Amino acid sequence: NAGVTQTPKFRVLKTGQSMTLLCAQDMNHEYMYWYRQDPGMGLRLIHYSVGEGTTAKGEVPDGYNVSRLKKQNFLLGLESAAPSQTSVYFCASSYPLYYILNTGELFFGEGSRLTVL
Amino acid sequence: AQTVTQSQPEMSVQEAETVTLSCTYDTSESDYYLFWYKQPPSRQMILVIRQEAYKQQNATENRFSVNFQKAAKSFSLKISDSQLGDAAMYFCAYRDNRDDKIIFGKGTRLHILP
Repeated sequence: NAGVTQTPKFRVLKTGQSMTLLCAQDMNHEYMYWYRQDPGMGLRLIHYSVGEGTTAKGEVPDGYNVSRLKKQNFLLGLESAAPSQTSVYFCASSYPLYYILNTGELFFGEGSRLTVL
Repeated sequence: AQTVTQSQPEMSVQEAETVTLSCTYDTSESDYYLFWYKQPPSRQMILVIRQEAYKQQNATENRFSVNFQKAAKSFSLKISDSQLGDAAMYFCAYRDNRDDKIIFGKGTRLHILP
């Protein structure tokens, strides 16, 4: 049981390049989230999804796009990378709170370190 | 909008001593969850403890316990008998049913002194 898997783990980009981060979960979770972690800023929510085919903006959505074409996958895209997007990106998933016996917790991937030069 | 505040960017504690990490939050909801996550140098996010707002009893997990003060909107984490392996970044997090967002504080880096 892999849990939440992020691909790639590390990436270096040049300013203006595009890339996609893939998040895959095998726990049949409805909800999926993308966060970025920067020193002194904690984890900030970029985008999230409450089900297949749905996405919503979080706290810091600018410069990112997402798609949830399949329930198990949540893609984060950078169309034109900027140095300000240098960060560690975390994907997480969970059940909705209204699910019986749901503990409410997030299950995290291992993070993806992205550097934009 | 809901917010989570951790007022202590860094803390240190002597091994085997007790330390308390502070967290306050702001919400107009009455039903919600609160969490403490630990992030060691490996970068992995590990759930330490959770608290459901409707439960008056404070959650406890072995050496970890919380002091949940709903009226004051305070959710502190107490670590007893601190161990070297407790050294990590600790994040407080909030979740409710209203908009499905899960909001984190900025974290507290905990150092354990041998």
